[in-house]
Amino acid sequence: DVKVTQSSRYLVKRTGEKVFLECVQDMDHENMFWYRQDPGLGLRLIYFSYDVKMKEKGDIPEGYSVSREKKERFSLILESASTNQTSMYLCASSPQRNEQFFGPGTRLTVL
Amino acid sequence: AQSVTQPDIHITVSEGASLELRCNYSYGATPYLFWYVQSPGQGLQLLLKYFSGDTLVQGIKGFEAEFKRSQSSFNLRKPSVHWSDAAEYFCAVGAGSNTGKLIFGQGTTLQVKP
Repeated sequence: DVKVTQSSRYLVKRTGEKVFLECVQDMDHENMFWYRQDPGLGLRLIYFSYDVKMKEKGDIPEGYSVSREKKERFSLILESASTNQTSMYLCASSPQRNEQFFGPGTRLTVL
Repeated sequence: AQSVTQPDIHITVSEGASLELRCNYSYGATPYLFWYVQSPGQGLQLLLKYFSGDTLVQGIKGFEAEFKRSQSSFNLRKPSVHWSDAAEYFCAVGAGSNTGKLIFGQGTTLQVKP
């Protein structure tokens, strides 16, 4: 079974902190994705990566950056966390042209 | 541009009743289509997918979906709903590249009455 793991299920940070969310997949997938999910807004794509060190902006990249140094790991970075970044963050991976496999999510609260 | 519309934000059905969740998509070519389910506080789990071939697709947990090209629809159905089906359901369409990018609908929340 494909497994996508996220470093934390719940995270509480303070405004202005630098926050790292880690995602690891164990199926050698080329593509990885970061979404945020907010009530009434569905899933919104923040960034995705289609290869090591390759990334593309999604629909809402402002205030975020990403890093993919190894194929299995895709990190989401909040350079200076703000309260409007309080959300559920979902990571996913996929092989080419196929379904995405999701991690359990990280619920981030920024105080 | 590709898009996915789930017209129903919230649906309530009685346990044992049949269910149909609607999904309409906008896409120029033959789409890759997916239905996912999300239980509270969890990630998304794939229910079923359509790439080509038979337009009636069987999935897990007793769900099925039918691809209708003429209506640009991919509705999800279940003949008899169980209380454990209460969750949020997302329809998605493949964005047509090798990146695996998907376009998601806004989701439909299913409530099941005892």
